[in-house]
Amino acid sequence: DAMVIQNPRYQVTQFGKPVTLSCSQTLNHNVMYWYQQKSSQAPKLLFHYYDKDFNNEADTPDNFQSRRPNTSFCFLDIRSPGLGDAAMYLCATSRVGTDTQYFGPGTRLTVL
Amino acid sequence: TQLLEQSPQFLSIQEGENLTVYCNSSSVFSSLQWYRQEPGEGPVLLVTVVTGGEVKKLKRLTFQFGDARKDSSLHITAAQPGDTGLYLCAVIQGAQKLVFGQGTRLTINP
Repeated sequence: DAMVIQNPRYQVTQFGKPVTLSCSQTLNHNVMYWYQQKSSQAPKLLFHYYDKDFNNEADTPDNFQSRRPNTSFCFLDIRSPGLGDAAMYLCATSRVGTDTQYFGPGTRLTVL
Repeated sequence: TQLLEQSPQFLSIQEGENLTVYCNSSSVFSSLQWYRQEPGEGPVLLVTVVTGGEVKKLKRLTFQFGDARKDSSLHITAAQPGDTGLYLCAVIQGAQKLVFGQGTRLTINP
């Protein structure tokens, strides 16, 4: 089945220790998104890629970076995680020109 | 200020009851979406409404888009424990940017 896969599902890191979350898709969609969802809150868009074109949200902290080496993969790098970065991180994809986004199951990040 | 205000934020009812949750805004939208998110999973699109006054049904779920396209409601008939989850309304803003309401966390008790 075509899908959006996120690894790992659970990630524990230490305060200040860089961490990378990964997302892959078999849908061949040209747009990929990263959202942050804190406990009991709605998902909030961090950035998205339209093919290789990177689009950062104005209020996304510099601590968050992303890479998209090819159509199928996208990575979220958190350079120096703080306690406030503990959250569920959701990857989503869509085909440009359509309104439907397909979400992965998320990676729950814990910062100790 | 939230673009989309959802109410109630939390709702816990017994199996078999009916319920309605709301998504309101002061802005006009060309379309509005409803998602359901189960614990530990990503949101899943339930429906997109595009026309003012439109009503869409998905089994026991009925979605309505307000006449002025500023608000929407989701009605569930004879709720079941499998309906438990976080219900999110969302709109597309700008270049495919999805903005969510804060969600209604629904619990259906057996």
